[in-house]
Amino acid sequence: SQQGEEDPQALSIQEGENATMNCSYKTSINNLQWYRQNSGRGLVHLILIRSNEREKHSGRLRVTLDTSKKSSSLLITASRAADTASYFCATDATGESGAGSYQLTFGKGTKLSVIP
Amino acid sequence: NAGVTQTPKFQVLKTGQSMTLQCAQDMNHEYMSWYRQDPGMGLRLIHYSVGAGITDQGEVPNGYNVSRSTTEDFPLRLLSAAPSQTSVYFCASSYLRTGPTNTGELFFGEGSRLTVL
Repeated sequence: SQQGEEDPQALSIQEGENATMNCSYKTSINNLQWYRQNSGRGLVHLILIRSNEREKHSGRLRVTLDTSKKSSSLLITASRAADTASYFCATDATGESGAGSYQLTFGKGTKLSVIP
Repeated sequence: NAGVTQTPKFQVLKTGQSMTLQCAQDMNHEYMSWYRQDPGMGLRLIHYSVGAGITDQGEVPNGYNVSRSTTEDFPLRLLSAAPSQTSVYFCASSYLRTGPTNTGELFFGEGSRLTVL
């Protein structure tokens, strides 16, 4: 079953605008990761945020994590046409021992279109 | 810088045929996994391995077998192909982290597109 669910399913913005995507999940996690997938290609890792972290930055990317609400957001600032892709969140749920589960669970993704 | 290599890129099978999707990584990653991606379903984990000789089932293992005889290779076998196995298959690998955070950044192959008629 899907652990993470992204919202919105699709997003269309103008170049230069900011894009925000959200991810909600159901169970406690060790970490949450965001990936990008260009059409017809494999997924590429963007950023990993641990359960004890609240915010992380990488270039034009900003990720927040709210474990009390079981949600995360990915912000892409000053978007470019090259940012057009699908974006997925993935969660590493806490296993029975309190460690990770070795099963990274992906959501269905947000399809971002950046119009030049 | 090969990373994760999947073969074949495209394959068409008839119902009942068997085949093996190959996956190789050259990063000395302990962890390897197979996902399938279907429209509107995201990625679903089929099988994974945390080291040579160790495999385990994911969310959708039925109809698939795996083995891990070396660190580098993690083939996925379809025993008797069915139309429901038409999908894009991704192999991914990662270092295993110590401590409470076990699954790190996954490196993905480019995918194998399988059609079962």
